[in-house]
Amino acid sequence: AQSVTQLDSHVSVSEGTPVLLRCNYSSSYSPSLFWYVQHPNKGLQLLLKYTSAATLVKGINGFEAEFKKSETSFHLTKPSAHMSDAAEYFCVVSDGDNKLSFGAGTTVTVRA
Amino acid sequence: ETGVTQTPRHLVMGMTNKKSLKCEQHLGHNAMYWYKQSAKKPLELMFVYSLEERVENNSVPSRFSPECPNSSHLFLHLHTLQPEDSALYLCASSQDVAGDTGELFFGEGSRLTVL
Repeated sequence: AQSVTQLDSHVSVSEGTPVLLRCNYSSSYSPSLFWYVQHPNKGLQLLLKYTSAATLVKGINGFEAEFKKSETSFHLTKPSAHMSDAAEYFCVVSDGDNKLSFGAGTTVTVRA
Repeated sequence: ETGVTQTPRHLVMGMTNKKSLKCEQHLGHNAMYWYKQSAKKPLELMFVYSLEERVENNSVPSRFSPECPNSSHLFLHLHTLQPEDSALYLCASSQDVAGDTGELFFGEGSRLTVL
């Protein structure tokens, strides 16, 4: 069985400062991992994905995530937050059985 | 035109009403999904269709009835709902049933309120 835990339900940062969203997973197999973003009143959009290639994955809008097997983590980071980054972020795991497990989400607010 | 379109965007219905949610994808994908999104809970997969055949039904109450007449259209028929069914219902599509690729394309959702 697979599952995802997003360690922060809400993160607040100042514009121009780094953003860190934490995600831990459990999986019986070598997982594939993803981050999705949902802006207000919008559907979810894929930010980036890890599928057993490079452990540091770059995504859209300056986000990146690092897969750490020893820590079972897949944290999302961005060096400098922008107002447009205010959204909800979901960590997702798949262990290859065509089923995706979503985390509960982290809401990011960006202060001017 | 956006890739995945959902209508209506907002729906208010009484517990005895019958209504339907519609989803249309313009991406040429083979798989379509219904998800339920409730506040601060993980997305709940409800139904999966691949090439118009249902391949997943996650113990969803029978008051929710999906229909997939072709690979571009997906419906969710609603009847005798309960207030706890109030949520955002998201439709998604993918090239094939998502697994390692994990890439789903979502619509903007239908916000359902059951009175």
